[in-house]
Amino acid sequence: AQSVTQLDSQVPVFEEAPVELRCNYSSSVSVYLFWYVQYPNQGLQLLLKYLSGSTLVKGINGFEAEFNKSQTSFHLRKPSVHISDTAEYFCAVSRIKAAGNKLTFGGGTRVLVKP
Amino acid sequence: ETGVTQSPTHLIKTRGQQVTLRCSSQSGHNTVSWYQQALGQGPQFIFQYYREEENGRGNFPPRFSGLQFPNYSSELNVNALELDDSALYLCASSLVASGENIQYFGAGTRLSVL
Repeated sequence: AQSVTQLDSQVPVFEEAPVELRCNYSSSVSVYLFWYVQYPNQGLQLLLKYLSGSTLVKGINGFEAEFNKSQTSFHLRKPSVHISDTAEYFCAVSRIKAAGNKLTFGGGTRVLVKP
Repeated sequence: ETGVTQSPTHLIKTRGQQVTLRCSSQSGHNTVSWYQQALGQGPQFIFQYYREEENGRGNFPPRFSGLQFPNYSSELNVNALELDDSALYLCASSLVASGENIQYFGAGTRLSVL
């Protein structure tokens, strides 16, 4: 079984400041890693994914994440946030090459960007 | 826009009733997964359908059931609704190829059980 822990439930940040959202996972098998964003009253949008290769992954809207296998972490970063980045962010994992991969999500981190 | 559409967007039911939620998958996708997102929590996997058969199920009781149709659209049915079933129900479609199974989500159906 897999589990995902997002260490911060809320992160307030000023506009144009950097932000880091922390994600740790637990799994007995290799996993794919994802970050999704959910804007108010909307579904989930894929920000970025780690499937294999370079451990630094770049996604949409200027976000990037780094996979650290030894620390079982997949932290999300953005060097300068905008008001429009106010949303909830979810880290998720799924088993590699398993038919019927389900996504296991963390509890989410709510980012509030202040002017 | 992911191309995954869900209907209805909002629904109000009373305890004990039954509900059907619908999902149209993105063009070219053959797999549909359903998730329940309670207020303030991350989504929880309900089940997945591939080639019209259930292909994995989370920790949900049998009163949660589903269907997938030949055009890969899907339904989620919940019988004997309980107050705790109030949540956002998300559908995600994917193409099972090379095991990557990247899932693309619809906007969800918000169900309120009174």
